Amino acid sequence: TQLLEQSPQFLSIQEGENLTVYCNSSSVFSSLQWYRQEPGEGPVLLVTVVTGGEVKKLKRLTFQFGDARKDSSLHITAAQPGDTGLYLCAGVRGSEKLVFGKGMKLTVNP
Amino acid sequence: ETGVTQTPRHLVMGMTNKKSLKCEQHLGHNAMYWYKQSAKKPLELMFVYNFKEQTENNSVPSRFSPECPNSSHLFLHLHTLQPEDSALYLCASSQGFLEETQYFGPGTRLLVL
Repeated sequence: TQLLEQSPQFLSIQEGENLTVYCNSSSVFSSLQWYRQEPGEGPVLLVTVVTGGEVKKLKRLTFQFGDARKDSSLHITAAQPGDTGLYLCAGVRGSEKLVFGKGMKLTVNP
Repeated sequence: ETGVTQTPRHLVMGMTNKKSLKCEQHLGHNAMYWYKQSAKKPLELMFVYNFKEQTENNSVPSRFSPECPNSSHLFLHLHTLQPEDSALYLCASSQGFLEETQYFGPGTRLLVL
């Protein structure tokens, strides 16, 4: 059983469209993180959310942590080809190790 | 160089070969990690080192042997691998042990024939 479920797993959209990626779990996390991984590179941390209901913005990216700290979403406004990549969510439960979802592969076509 | 570097970036090896992956972090961090990234699977934590001491081995087969001579360097020695071991091997580091903010290297793409 996957601890962190990401949906959708794949998404191909046109430049300028909006999209939302979800990261869900039945467990409570003390924090959730979002990474972006470009082809041929390692994951790069985008944001960490720690408070239930927290919303963080990073330019055209909006991250939200669920009130119960079991889920998170990433919304991208007016997607650009440079947003193409694998989006990973990862969570920490207490003092346990960081666990990752399978990721959402995004392709933004010009 | 800055950040986390890994060499080689690509490696093709036979099942009877012995090779080593190298990771170096230039961030002054105390913890280092090896992850395996396979298609259609989440990132799998393999080994964790904190201040050069191995603190976690996630049931990894003995054909993978880690080595951490100091806090800046991490190796993964490979021998008699199987084709299913083909994957992207990522190294990461963090300031503290199991800290949520980890910095990843670019990975080594391994193909076992």
